[in-house]
Formats: sequence, C-alpha cells, structure tokens
Amino acid sequence: KAGVTQTPRYLIKTRGQQVTLSCSPISGHRSVSWYQQTPGQGLQFLFEYFSETQRNKGNFPGRFSGRQFSNSRSEMNVSTLELGDSALYLCASREGGTENPYGYTFGSGTRLTVV
Amino acid sequence: AQSVTQLDSQVPVFEEAPVELRCNYSSSVSVYLFWYVQYPNQGLQLLLKYLSGSTLVKGINGFEAEFNKSQTSFHLRKPSVHISDTAEYFCAVSDGTYKYIFGTGTRLKVLA
Repeated sequence: KAGVTQTPRYLIKTRGQQVTLSCSPISGHRSVSWYQQTPGQGLQFLFEYFSETQRNKGNFPGRFSGRQFSNSRSEMNVSTLELGDSALYLCASREGGTENPYGYTFGSGTRLTVV
Repeated sequence: AQSVTQLDSQVPVFEEAPVELRCNYSSSVSVYLFWYVQYPNQGLQLLLKYLSGSTLVKGINGFEAEFNKSQTSFHLRKPSVHISDTAEYFCAVSDGTYKYIFGTGTRLKVLA
C-alpha cells in the first residue's frame, strides 16, 4: 500500500503570493488532516476533511483554506503569503469516521519558505 | 480539554545506553496515546500506540512505552540506543476523533 504522498516537497514563494499544496492519502482513507509545523509553535492543527467536507478547523486565519476531492485527495491553499507562513506542512490520513483511534499516517511534508 | 507535556526538550545519551523520554497528559475523557518519530525534513512516523489492554506497549525499532493512568504518563523507553535513533520524538493524545494534541517534542541526540 502506498503511503501518504505530498507534493511538492519543497517550495519557495514570495510574500504576497499564494500557494497550493497537494496531498494524496492512503488508498481507502477518507479522512485527511493538515498540520503546520514550525520551530516556535510546534505542530498545529489546520483542518480536517472527510468525504469532501471540512469537518473541523483549527485556529488559523481565513487565508488558509483547503478542499477534498471525491477520490479523497486534498489540497490546501494559502493566500497572501506572509513570512510567518514559512513552515513544514504535514498531511495525514486515516480511515475516517467519527471514532477511529488507530491513528494517522503522515506524509513527508511540504517545506514552504516565504521570502 | 486535553494537553500533552513533554518534559525534556533535548536528551543527549551515549550509544548503547538506555533512554527514557517522558510524556505526561491531561484529559477528562478516555484517551489514546501515541509516540511518533520525526527524522530531519521528514514527516512523522508512528512508533507505537496505546489504545487499550496491556499497559506496556511495544513498538518499532526496539522502543516501548508504558501507560500509567494514575500518573497520567506515557513514557517512551529503549534499553540500548543507536546513532540512527537520533531524531525528534513527539507524544500525542487523541480522544479517538480527528484531532491529535501533540507535545512540543523531545530531541534525542545519540552520542558516539
């Protein structure tokens, strides 16, 4: 079974631009979550999608958005990039449902650098 | 509300020595507990998880952890570390839903 695939692995953008990151979950996994990881704030939850619907959202500004497609693939978008958006963005998938303790499988992440 | 505290931000240890990485949690509901490892510029890899049953959980790469409900702890241990164990380790708690609460991480540095 292929793991969680995130593309691109590295990205450099200029302040004010927008960016789209992609995540392909493990086959059969319907829940996809996104996390932002920075040295100062650690791992912070962005949002979770299940069956093309955003079920939950973390405490991030509206510049951060996402979507999920019918094949469970997910994208997240950040508009009007700021220097503070530089981070490792991690996607994680699991089988889904409201009660599933078996844990996430994480992708390798996209390292976004805003200059 | 749930929270996770990893008491040590960095742990240096000599190769072949034992190591313990500490994790304490707080929750008003039943929890599931996880340890993940992150190598540089990589995602998080699941080491082990406690869901229910035996409080001693064995994971990959020779790691194990013990769930202690009275102490609200889930410490990670390895009897003999290798250079390749150098990485950052994250403890996480979940109530079984989408959201994990992660600790701030412990950097394990294995010295030759």
